[in-house]
Amino acid sequence: EVQLVESGGGLVQPGGSLRLSCEASGFNFGFYTMNWVRQGPGKGLEWVSSIGASSSSIYYADSVKGRFTTSRDNDKNVLYLQMNSLRGDDTALYFCAKGVGVGGTERYWGQGALVTVSS
Amino acid sequence: IQMTQSPPSLSASVGDRVTITCRASQDIGSSLAWYQKRPEKAPKSLIYAASTLQPGVPSRFSGSGSGTDFTLTISSLQPEDSATYYCQQYKSYPLTFGGGTKVEIK
Repeated sequence: EVQLVESGGGLVQPGGSLRLSCEASGFNFGFYTMNWVRQGPGKGLEWVSSIGASSSSIYYADSVKGRFTTSRDNDKNVLYLQMNSLRGDDTALYFCAKGVGVGGTERYWGQGALVTVSS
Repeated sequence: IQMTQSPPSLSASVGDRVTITCRASQDIGSSLAWYQKRPEKAPKSLIYAASTLQPGVPSRFSGSGSGTDFTLTISSLQPEDSATYYCQQYKSYPLTFGGGTKVEIK
C-alpha cells in the first residue's frame, strides 16, 4: 500500500524558514517523480514543485522559484521541501504527491502538513 | 497551460447525473486528471489519462475527452460526493489545476 506522510509544518514568522519532509513507503520510491502541491485557505489546488527520480530534473512554480528548494534522499525514501523567505501567501496545507507530474499514472497523496506564516 | 472548469458550483439531488467540464488553453492530449477535495483532507484521485479510473474509485465516476475539452461525470450522485472537484493537466510543466467545481447535495 502506498503511503506518504508529511511532517515539519508549523507556525513561522514572515521571512523565516521551514523544511517539510515526506516519508514514502509501499512503492519503489527511487523510480518515481515526486511532487509538492499546496492549498491556501479558501483557495484551489496549486502545484509547487516536482523532482525527477534521480534529482536531475527539478521544476518550480514561479510563485516559489528562488525561495523554495526541493530535494530527495532515495536511500531513506524521503522527499524534502526547504522553504525560505516565507510570506503570508505561502500559508497553506502542503501535500506530497506521487504520480501527478508529467507522465504520471496512478496518483497518491499524503495527508498534508500545515504551514502558517504569520507574525 | 490554463485550465478552465465549469460550472464553478452546482447543486443536485441524490441519484442525479452530474457533469463537470474542463477546458485546456492548448492541446494536452489525454494528460488530464480529476480529483475530489474535501476541506482539510487530502485530495482523492479519481481519474487519470482523461478516462482511466484510479483503483478503488466507484464506477459511478467516469471521465472523457481529449485535446482541449474534458468531462467528469457522476452517473448517480451520492451524499458522500459532496466536495470540490478539480481537473489538472500534466502534459507539461508548470502543472496546472482548474479553479474547481463545488458540488452540493440538495
